[in-house]
Amino acid sequence: EIVLTQSPATLSLSPGERATLSCRASQSVSRFLGWYQHKPGQAPRLLIYDASNRATGIPARFSGSGSGTDFTLTISSLEPEDFAVYYCQQRYNWPPVTFGGGTKVEVK
Amino acid sequence: EVQLLESGGGLVQPGGSLRLSCAASGFTFTTYAMSWVRQAPGKGLELVSSISASGGSAYYADSVKGRFTISRDYSKNTLYLQMSSLRAEDTAVYHCAKDLDPTGDSSFRLDYWGRGTLVTVSS
Repeated sequence: EIVLTQSPATLSLSPGERATLSCRASQSVSRFLGWYQHKPGQAPRLLIYDASNRATGIPARFSGSGSGTDFTLTISSLEPEDFAVYYCQQRYNWPPVTFGGGTKVEVK
Repeated sequence: EVQLLESGGGLVQPGGSLRLSCAASGFTFTTYAMSWVRQAPGKGLELVSSISASGGSAYYADSVKGRFTISRDYSKNTLYLQMSSLRAEDTAVYHCAKDLDPTGDSSFRLDYWGRGTLVTVSS
C-alpha cells in the first residue's frame, strides 16, 4: 500500500499570504496524484488532478507540481474561502486508492 | 449543474445492515464511473468502493470487502451502497462521487461529490 504523508498538519496563515502544502508518497506514483479541498459539512472538491491539471472552475491561484514521490499544492494568495482541509490522493498503484492525512489551512 | 444527493444513513446496531442511496442529476449517469468515499469522525478520507459506468466491474477496499456491495440503477440515476455486518469502525460520513471522465472504468479522479450521509454503528 502506498502511504501519502502530508505536511504540515496545520498551516496558520493570513488572507493574502502564499500557502505551500506538501505530499510525499512512500513510493513513486508517477504523476497520478490529485488534490482535494474539504470544508466541514460540505462536499469535497477536486482542485488538481494528475499532479498539475486544474479541475474545471478552479481558480488560477491554485497550482500543483511534482512527480514521483514529492508533490506540492500552492495557493498563491489565500482568499477567505480557501481556509479548509486539503487532501492528496494517489491512483497510480491500486488497490488500494489512498489519501493523505490532510493539511488544515487555518486563519492566523 | 451536477448534483449528488446521498440518503439512507442513520443509527444501526453492530451486525446490522443499511442501504445508502445517491441520487445523481445534471450529467449522463450511464457514462461515468461512480464511487463511495467515507470519512470517520476526526479521520481522513477513505475510498470504500467504485463501480464502472456499465456496472460490470467494481472495486472494494479491503476493510469492506465481502460486507459491502455497490450497485447502480440507470432508470433512477441512482447509486447504491448495501452495507451489512456493520461494525463500529464503519461509523462515518459517506460521500458519493462522480468520476472525472466518461471513460467507463473508474479513474479515481473524483470531480463532483455529495455532502454525505452519516452512518453511526452503535449499540
